[in-house]
Amino acid sequence: QVQLQESGPGLVKPSETLSLTCAVSGFSISSGYFWGWIRQPPAKGLEWIANIYHSGNTYYNPSLESRLFISVDTSQNRFSLKLRSVTAADTAVYYCARDRGFGAFEIWGPGTMIIVSS
Amino acid sequence: QSALTQPASVSGSPGQSITISCTGTGSDVGRYDYVSWYQQRPDKAPKLIVFDVSQRPSGVSSRFSGSKSGSTASLTISGLQAEDESDYYCNSYTPSGTFVFGTGTRVNVL
Repeated sequence: QVQLQESGPGLVKPSETLSLTCAVSGFSISSGYFWGWIRQPPAKGLEWIANIYHSGNTYYNPSLESRLFISVDTSQNRFSLKLRSVTAADTAVYYCARDRGFGAFEIWGPGTMIIVSS
Repeated sequence: QSALTQPASVSGSPGQSITISCTGTGSDVGRYDYVSWYQQRPDKAPKLIVFDVSQRPSGVSSRFSGSKSGSTASLTISGLQAEDESDYYCNSYTPSGTFVFGTGTRVNVL
């Protein structure tokens, strides 16, 4: 059974860098698929952040691209996200997910709440 | 990259059919047959219920069906049940390998 689990700091100060990791179990990232990040601000809708292919090809939301970096570590079977210069608008539940292709996010982690506050 | 437009809420009685629309543009929904739909219960991660406009993942009830006409995709829930009361989101592939979600629809079962 494939499972994803996000991990992060919970609280980040404004202007700092948010770092998140998604650990994958039950499936080897190097075997394929796209792996993505999606977020949801409190009481708001979903926003796609970025996707990465197991080979390292990346795809970013144009509105976040200048602050984003995602990477994959096949040796640790996990992928990560870094979001620079965070503001209160980046407060959200952050999900990682496996994309079976063209945005069909078929397996999701439970999500991790990130609050940006001083 | 603007969010796809969905109605804020749709209501129906048990046993009825309801349809949720997802309107995009000729650059996303209208251009690609890569629209997916998600069901999200409170405080839970979304669940994929339709992909590639009309395909259902294994294990998803046949009461959920998807379609598309022009730049508008639709999700129909037939035989509405109390357990269908959730938020629903559409998602579309866009040029350059990016994606955009819909604004979300709350389904109320009366």
